[in-house]
Amino acid sequence: NAGVTQTPKFRILKIGQSMTLQCAQDMNHNYMYWYRQDPGMGLKLIYYSVGAGITDKGEVPNGYNVSRSTTEDFPLRLELAAPSQTSVYFCASSGRQGPSESPLHFGNGTRLTVT
Amino acid sequence: AQKITQTQPGMFVQEKEAVTLDCTYDTSDQSYGLFWYKQPSSGEMIFLIYQGSYDEQNATEGRYSLNFQKARKSANLVISASQLGDSAMYFCAMREDFGNEKLTFGTGTRLTIIP
Repeated sequence: NAGVTQTPKFRILKIGQSMTLQCAQDMNHNYMYWYRQDPGMGLKLIYYSVGAGITDKGEVPNGYNVSRSTTEDFPLRLELAAPSQTSVYFCASSGRQGPSESPLHFGNGTRLTVT
Repeated sequence: AQKITQTQPGMFVQEKEAVTLDCTYDTSDQSYGLFWYKQPSSGEMIFLIYQGSYDEQNATEGRYSLNFQKARKSANLVISASQLGDSAMYFCAMREDFGNEKLTFGTGTRLTIIP
């Protein structure tokens, strides 16, 4: 059981380049999330989705886009990368036993550097 | 106002001693969940323990317990008989039930266990 799979693990981008961070889960979870973690800080929510076809902004959505065409996949798109987007990106998913009861299952993260 | 506050940026504890990591939260919802995650130096996010706002008993999971004081809005993590492998960042997080499917994280506490 793979859980939440993120690719790539590491990436270096030049300023202005674009890329897509991939996230897939095999637990049939409705809820999926993208967080970023800056050095020494907690996690900040970028975007989230409560089901296929539904996405919404989190705390820090500027510079990012998402789509959710299937239950399994939730890619994060960076357009025109900036140094401020250097961070570790975590994808997570959760089921629904009662929204507050479901812990998030995290992927192993993508370390992105923009230079 | 911060939704989740962790006031201890770092702690040093002797091996085999118990340790309490502080967490206070702010919400006007009656129904919410509180979570603790561990992030070792390898970077992954590991779910430790969950406490629901309506749970009358404090949650326990092995060596982890949650000291939940609802009136004080605190949810401190207690680790008994600490081990070297407990050295990590620890994050407190909250998920509110109504109109909000998101998990909000604190800034974390870096715990170092001294042999």
